[in-house]
Amino acid sequence: DAGVIQSPRHEVTEMGQEVTLRCKPISGHDYLFWYRQTMMRGLELLIYFNNNVPIDDSGMPEDRFSAKMPNASFSTLKIQPSEPRDSAVYFCASSLEPTGPREKLFFGSGTQLSVL
Amino acid sequence: GNSVTQMEGPVTLSEEAFLTINCTYTATGYPSLFWYVQYPGEGLQLLLKATKADDKGSNKGFEATYRKETTSFHLEKGSVQVSDSAVYFCALSSNTGGFKTIFGAGTRLFVKA
Repeated sequence: DAGVIQSPRHEVTEMGQEVTLRCKPISGHDYLFWYRQTMMRGLELLIYFNNNVPIDDSGMPEDRFSAKMPNASFSTLKIQPSEPRDSAVYFCASSLEPTGPREKLFFGSGTQLSVL
Repeated sequence: GNSVTQMEGPVTLSEEAFLTINCTYTATGYPSLFWYVQYPGEGLQLLLKATKADDKGSNKGFEATYRKETTSFHLEKGSVQVSDSAVYFCALSSNTGGFKTIFGAGTRLFVKA
C-alpha cells in the first residue's frame, strides 16, 4: 500500500497565480479530507468528501479556494488567485470509516506552498 | 462546538524522563479521542486512540486514558527516547460534529541525549 500520495511536495508561486494541489487517497477509502497547517492557526479542516461528494466545505476560507474529486482515486485543491497569506502546508488525508473501531486518518506528506 | 485544548510547548526532556502532555476537550455526544504524531517533514500518523469512557489507548510505550468526568485524554510515556522528538496532536471526532476530526494546536517535544 503506497499510502496517501500528494503532489507537488513543494510549490513556490507568485501572488495572483493559480495553484493546484493534488492527492491520491488510499484505494478503498471512502473519505477524503483536505487540511491546512500554519503556525498561527494550527491544523484546519478545509473540506471533506464522502464517495467523491463534498460533504462539508465550511472550512474553505473564501471563494478563491475550490476542491474537486472527479473519481475515487484523485482529488484537487485549487487556489485562484493565490495570495501570500495562503502560504502553508496543505495535507490530504483519507479514511476507511468516519467513526467506530476502524476510524483512523491516513495523511499524505503534504504540500509546502509558498506564495511570494 | 467541539474543541481540543492541549498544553503549549515546546517540552524539553532528557532521555529516559517521564512525559506528560495534557489534553482536554469540549464535545457534544460521545467523541472518539486520538493522539497523532508528526515527525519533521512528514504527515501526521495515528499514535493511539480511545473510543469510549475509561478506555486506555496504548502504542510504542505511550498511553492515554479517556476520562469523561474530567474531559481529558492526557498522553504519557514512562521513559522517552531521542527518537520520540516530534509534534504531538490531540484530536477528537464525533458523529454530532459531522464526522470531522478536530485537532489541538500541537505540542512540540524535544528529547535530549
